Amino acid sequence: AQSVTQLDSQVPVFEEAPVELRCNYSSSVSVYLFWYVQYPNQGLQLLLKYLSGSTLVKGINGFEAEFNKSQTSFHLRKPSVHISDTAEYFCAVSVPYSSASKIIFGSGTRLSIRP
Amino acid sequence: DTAVSQTPKYLVTQMGNDKSIKCEQNLGHDTMYWYKQDSKKFLKIMFSYNNKELIINETVPNRFSPKSPDKAHLNLHINSLELGDSAVYFCASSQGVGTGSDTQYFGPGTRLTVL
Repeated sequence: AQSVTQLDSQVPVFEEAPVELRCNYSSSVSVYLFWYVQYPNQGLQLLLKYLSGSTLVKGINGFEAEFNKSQTSFHLRKPSVHISDTAEYFCAVSVPYSSASKIIFGSGTRLSIRP
Repeated sequence: DTAVSQTPKYLVTQMGNDKSIKCEQNLGHDTMYWYKQDSKKFLKIMFSYNNKELIINETVPNRFSPKSPDKAHLNLHINSLELGDSAVYFCASSQGVGTGSDTQYFGPGTRLTVL
């Protein structure tokens, strides 16, 4: 079975400060790792994903994440946040399931940016 | 231009009623999904269809019945609505390559409130 743990339910940060959102996963099989963002009253949008290769993955809006296999972590970072980054961030693992992808989401981290 | 659309956006109804939510995607994807997001923002997959065939059927009450008339549409019908069904329901789609690496594209959500 797979599981995803997002250690922080809320992260308040001042504008232009750096931020790290933590994610750890557990799986007995190889998985793919994703970060999705949900802006207020909207659906989810892909930020970035790790499939293979370089462990540092760059995504949209200046976000990046680093895959660490030994620590089973996939932490999300941004060097300088903006008010517009206020949203809920979901870490997820994906496993193949027939001709679908089965995604298991973490519980989410609410990023709130203070001016 | 909307990639994944859902109707209605809001649905308020009484306990015991039957309601449907519709989803359409114009991305040419083969696989579609339904997710439920509860009041604590926790997201869980409910169903997945690939080209009109049911692929994923999680532990969901049989009051919930998905229907896929064609690969671009996946509707969700809910019988005998209960208070606990109140949530935001998201539709998503992906190419359906079956490797687990697909990006899923989400609709804007349908907020269901059962009174």
